[in-house]
Amino acid sequence: QSVLTQPPSVSGAPGQRVTISCTGSSSNIGAGYHVHWYQLLPGTAPKLLIYGDSSRPSGVPDRFFGTKSGASASLAITGLQAEDEADYYCQSYDSSLSAVVFGGGTKLTVL
Amino acid sequence: QVQLQESGPGLVKPSETLSLTCSVSGDSVSSGSYYWSWIRQPPGKGLEWIGYIYYSGSTNYNPSLKSRVTISVDTSKNHFSLKLSSVTAADTAVYSCARWHPRDGMDVWGQGTTVTVSS
Repeated sequence: QSVLTQPPSVSGAPGQRVTISCTGSSSNIGAGYHVHWYQLLPGTAPKLLIYGDSSRPSGVPDRFFGTKSGASASLAITGLQAEDEADYYCQSYDSSLSAVVFGGGTKLTVL
Repeated sequence: QVQLQESGPGLVKPSETLSLTCSVSGDSVSSGSYYWSWIRQPPGKGLEWIGYIYYSGSTNYNPSLKSRVTISVDTSKNHFSLKLSSVTAADTAVYSCARWHPRDGMDVWGQGTTVTVSS
């Protein structure tokens, strides 16, 4: 049971928009700790997609958009492409655990 | 360009100690800007944070692994290391090192190394 809750899977057709939620609590996201998002493709190192809740590292397309409100965060992907099919993880910090925490991960399928 | 590279045995026997090293290039583990972290992903499961070390030597570990984990840093060799004791099959995973900042996330990762616990 992860401290941050994500849907196990989401799907969308090419060109569509999908959203992946990340629900935390008052000791992590709700406490103001930043949320970061990572993309995992098979056989490759995780890639930082969104940092500091909503910022994109250089090289990440602006089709990827991060938001945070209260104790939850979301990753939106617009103009879905086949290459976006991957696992996505949110990550924050939890003050009760004094630990870095990850969501359980969401598998995105491009139909 | 900052690069991290994990190294260590790919096979460890049950009850023994898993030891891995993360070599850092393009940055200094003693810069004081980042927390040098270990993360793992068991087969078919999600990412699990193991712990991190700061350049000063202060550490923070996952509570579920704390009794078995030691992370250390060698500034002279610009690398940091992971030791996980009393391993079982449940510790079989891809182990990765990463550079982490609370505001900037884990922006640089190693390629990861597969460690199998088996006799």
